[in-house]
Amino acid sequence: AQSVTQPDIHITVSEGASLELRCNYSYGATPYLFWYVQSPGQGLQLLLKYFSGDTLVQGIKGFEAEFKRSQSSFNLRKPSVHWSDAAEYFCAVGARGSARQLTFGSGTQLTVLP
Amino acid sequence: DGGITQSPKYLFRKEGQNVTLSCEQNLNHDAMYWYRQDPGQGLRLIYYSQIVNDFQKGDIAEGYSVSREKKESFPLTVTSAQKNPTAFYLCASTWGGDNNQPQHFGDGTRLSIL
Repeated sequence: AQSVTQPDIHITVSEGASLELRCNYSYGATPYLFWYVQSPGQGLQLLLKYFSGDTLVQGIKGFEAEFKRSQSSFNLRKPSVHWSDAAEYFCAVGARGSARQLTFGSGTQLTVLP
Repeated sequence: DGGITQSPKYLFRKEGQNVTLSCEQNLNHDAMYWYRQDPGQGLRLIYYSQIVNDFQKGDIAEGYSVSREKKESFPLTVTSAQKNPTAFYLCASTWGGDNNQPQHFGDGTRLSIL
């Protein structure tokens, strides 16, 4: 069974600073990997996804993530954080196959200081 | 616009009462999912359905039931057997089969006990 670890429960950065959110996964083969963002009281919005090919993927809102097979990681990055980026971020891993189940990490809450 | 509609946004349950959460999608997706979200625990899968009239238990199905009579609809019933129902419930959907399409989420229903 797959699993996901987001080691940082809460991260605080200043507006304009760079951001990296960590995600480590456990899966026997190359997984499907996703980053979602959630604003308070809302559903999840997809930021980006990795399925195969180029290990650096670009997403919406200026986010990018890099798949590193040797480290079983899929860290999310943004060069310059905006106040509107404050939210909770979830990494998810999906097993290849028809069931399409996702396993989510416990989330990282991002606070942005003015 | 296509999307997933969850209703109601807020729901209150009395002791011994069953309540049903609605999830409707007009994305023509084959697969639908129910997740429970508790603070600090990420999302946990309750039930999922890959086709009409078929569904499978997820990781925390006890105390919940579902039906899938129509492709567009996947209602979740929280039964009186679920002793700790207070949580945020999210419905998601995606295309069936092994493809690279992500899950799309509704805006959630917050269930509380009176």
